[in-house]
Amino acid sequence: EAQVTQNPRYLITVTGKKLTVTCSQNMNHEYMSWYRQDPGLGLRQIYYSMNVEVTDKGDVPEGYKVSRKEKRNFPLILESPSPNQTSLYFCASSLLAGGTDTQYFGPGTRLTVL
Amino acid sequence: GIQVEQSPPDLILQEGANSTLRCNFSDSVNNLQWFHQNPWGQLINLFYIPSGTKQNGRLSATTVATERYSLLYISSSQTTDSGVYFCAVAEGNQFYFGTGTSLTVIP
Repeated sequence: EAQVTQNPRYLITVTGKKLTVTCSQNMNHEYMSWYRQDPGLGLRQIYYSMNVEVTDKGDVPEGYKVSRKEKRNFPLILESPSPNQTSLYFCASSLLAGGTDTQYFGPGTRLTVL
Repeated sequence: GIQVEQSPPDLILQEGANSTLRCNFSDSVNNLQWFHQNPWGQLINLFYIPSGTKQNGRLSATTVATERYSLLYISSSQTTDSGVYFCAVAEGNQFYFGTGTSLTVIP
């Protein structure tokens, strides 16, 4: 089944404790992306990747890191989480970059930073 | 970046009614997409519609790129249509989403 998976689905952590949210797609997509969703703000893009080893900042990259060492995986790293990073996070992928292709979303990861 | 505005922010419909959701964007783009987020949080792509009109069952969408807006039509609404509808555009490889229209369909 073609899908985007994220783990964990739910995470409660404390300020400053490094964490990684994994994202994997099995569709051989080139483009992958991370978003955060906050009430009243819609979805805002954190980072995106056009292909292996090619990443770029989105609208709200501060406090986040990403890597794209393999085509299928695009982990989101919070080196020192803070309470303002409490949010619902989505990973997405599409076959091509440039916004001309359908994006497929993962199920979301709800992160709470105490 | 591109500004994306959606209206109305909230909508309550009786089952069977029709509705129109609007998405305005600030710059000329040719890659508008509509998404539905169901009450369980899952985001599903409805349409990739850079221009013109597309239909998929009871849903249809029209984009007039030269006037920088898109419309999503829902006909004969059902309770399963409830959720939040987002439009999004891309500038280069970066996406910009609107803040969504929250739709509640009551039986």
